[in-house]
Amino acid sequence: QSALTQPASVSGSPGQSITISCTGISSDVGGYNYVSWYQQHPGKAPKVMIYDVSKRPSGVSNRFSGSKSGNTASLTISGLQAEDEADYYCCSYAGSSTWVFGGGTKLTVL
Amino acid sequence: QVQLVQSGAEVKKPGASVKVSCKASGYTFTNYYMHWVRQAPRQGLEWMGIINPSGGSTSYAQKFQGRVTMTRDTSTSTVDMELSSLRSEDTAVYYCARNGPTSFDYWGQGTLVTVSS
Repeated sequence: QSALTQPASVSGSPGQSITISCTGISSDVGGYNYVSWYQQHPGKAPKVMIYDVSKRPSGVSNRFSGSKSGNTASLTISGLQAEDEADYYCCSYAGSSTWVFGGGTKLTVL
Repeated sequence: QVQLVQSGAEVKKPGASVKVSCKASGYTFTNYYMHWVRQAPRQGLEWMGIINPSGGSTSYAQKFQGRVTMTRDTSTSTVDMELSSLRSEDTAVYYCARNGPTSFDYWGQGTLVTVSS
């Protein structure tokens, strides 16, 4: 169960769009449409932003969107705002009642 | 509203065991599986395992097999996670998180476990 691969950091200016990638293998990201994304501010518990690849929980801004192609999932944040600055983690079901997280990406809003 | 309230911080010596509790409220406890996730200082999230509060069945990450035990008490709507043979690398914040059912939809506040001699 190796961690999913995410870029260590991404940055963007307010109003811009950024995309964070999450690469796995055919037995996790590529094999199931159960990819979710979490936002974590310092000292806080993670919060789900996207689930089932592209679904948004109630209350999450529509500036957040998700997609998947093959073994790579992506989180896009449009209209970047200062409060979006946080760490982001992807997570995928990996079969046999197991899950795996990505290493995390630090988003900096310039 | 859904709430997951975890037990307080712990300090343990290497080789000891620690048990962290997570008390659920605001929903039917036996209808949702519960995960445990940990986060070492300045590190990422790491999935540890999952328990079915209804029947008590569990699935653990390979890394923790043999060292972790997850249990539940339906009378108190509580799940426990016990980690044994602690080492310094187990110093982390431990979270319980509800399985919702294909994401981690509610999280506890986290419990800091420090392993130090």
